Amino acid sequence: AQKVTQAQTEISVVEKEDVTLDCVYETRDTTYYLFWYKQPPSGELVFLIRRNSFDEQNEISGRYSWNFQKSTSSFNFTITASQVVDSAVYFCALSEISNAGGTSYGKLTFGQGTILTVHP
Amino acid sequence: DTEVTQTPKHLVMGMTNKKSLKCEQHMGHRAMYWYKQKAKKPPELMFVYSYEKLSINESVPSRFSPECPNSSLLNLHLHALQPEDSALYLCASSQARDFEKLFFGSGTQLSVL
Repeated sequence: AQKVTQAQTEISVVEKEDVTLDCVYETRDTTYYLFWYKQPPSGELVFLIRRNSFDEQNEISGRYSWNFQKSTSSFNFTITASQVVDSAVYFCALSEISNAGGTSYGKLTFGQGTILTVHP
Repeated sequence: DTEVTQTPKHLVMGMTNKKSLKCEQHMGHRAMYWYKQKAKKPPELMFVYSYEKLSINESVPSRFSPECPNSSLLNLHLHALQPEDSALYLCASSQARDFEKLFFGSGTQLSVL
């Protein structure tokens, strides 16, 4: 069974601080995808990044960066110079690729989420 | 248009009511999903439709009845719900042939009295 663990339930930082959100996963699949989603108070889940299991390159997008380490089954997310607008719940997720009716779709297993609060 | 639109945004219903949640996307996605999210919990998959056919039902009680009338629309019909069914119901869509990121709607906040 797949499992995603986000050990940090809540994190509180002051604006401009850097913050890292941890994610550890378990899967028996050799091919899988990892995701980070942001859920602001408005409710919708906003896609941030997708990583496949064969691509261990770290990625940077503006103030966001991700560190994927297969050896430790971790996919951590760092926000540099945090801003108040970064306040949200962040979910790490793991997908298994399933096939039904001849098509593929993703079935996501989410972590419990980390509530990030950035104070001015 | 990269939006998934859900209506209504809020719904309050009694246990004997029948109501429907609606989801619409115009991105040409052929896989659509219903997720349920309780407060302070992660989303949980309920149903997956692929090419308008129900592909996955995650052992959801029959008081929830999904429907996919066409490739752009996904409904969730509700009947005889229980107070514990109160939650945020999220719709999502994705490319069907190659798994892509899910696009989520902003959800319907459902309260069952």
